[in-house]
Amino acid sequence: DAKTTQPPSMDCAEGRAANLPCNHSTISGNEYVYWYRQIHSQGPQYIIHGLKNNETNEMASLIITEDRKSSTLILPHATLRDTAVYYCIVRLPSGSARQLTFGSGTQLTVLP
Amino acid sequence: GAVVSQHPSWVICKSGTSVKIECRSLDFQATTMFWYRQFPKQSLMLMATSNEGSKATYEQGVEKDKFLINHASLTLSTLTVTSAHPEDSSFYICSARDPGTVEQYFGPGTRLTVT
Repeated sequence: DAKTTQPPSMDCAEGRAANLPCNHSTISGNEYVYWYRQIHSQGPQYIIHGLKNNETNEMASLIITEDRKSSTLILPHATLRDTAVYYCIVRLPSGSARQLTFGSGTQLTVLP
Repeated sequence: GAVVSQHPSWVICKSGTSVKIECRSLDFQATTMFWYRQFPKQSLMLMATSNEGSKATYEQGVEKDKFLINHASLTLSTLTVTSAHPEDSSFYICSARDPGTVEQYFGPGTRLTVT
């Protein structure tokens, strides 16, 4: 699986959009970009994933650049409960038996 | 999404004893489950992949005789930490792969403290 690079930490004001970047310059053509988050002392929570098109769900939006070498997770209106470590993971299609490999992630702190 | 539970949520045990942690998929049958370990301020590290009805596959550096994994049914995998030592104190997280959605869902984790 391709390696990802994320900033170690970010702050965001409550109610504002949080934009979390991820670089994955070695991504291959059939690898997806997944985002998970982990609130302190809890298991990881799936957020969103995509291949090449931008994706949106009730939690977030995922913007993938045209060359697919980077992506941005957008939380449109961050709340205090969004404070967590956010992991960007690049992996083969879900049908693969490969497990998820976690990097160091970005600690997002939403400030009141 | 699908639900994965773990039991217990936290456990304290004395050095030298064994501890069993259960991971259950509540609304789907999981042929594959994964066990991760997370030390404070670090990321999740995969320990082993558990396949129903067969032996688990351990990652390099993980002692299979110390961390016993049993995946006897499609909804239950267990991790037994044998002869636990204080350095085994960690947050243990399981995940299960839903063959229907082919996505991986995580349990809430088990905090193990060995005194």
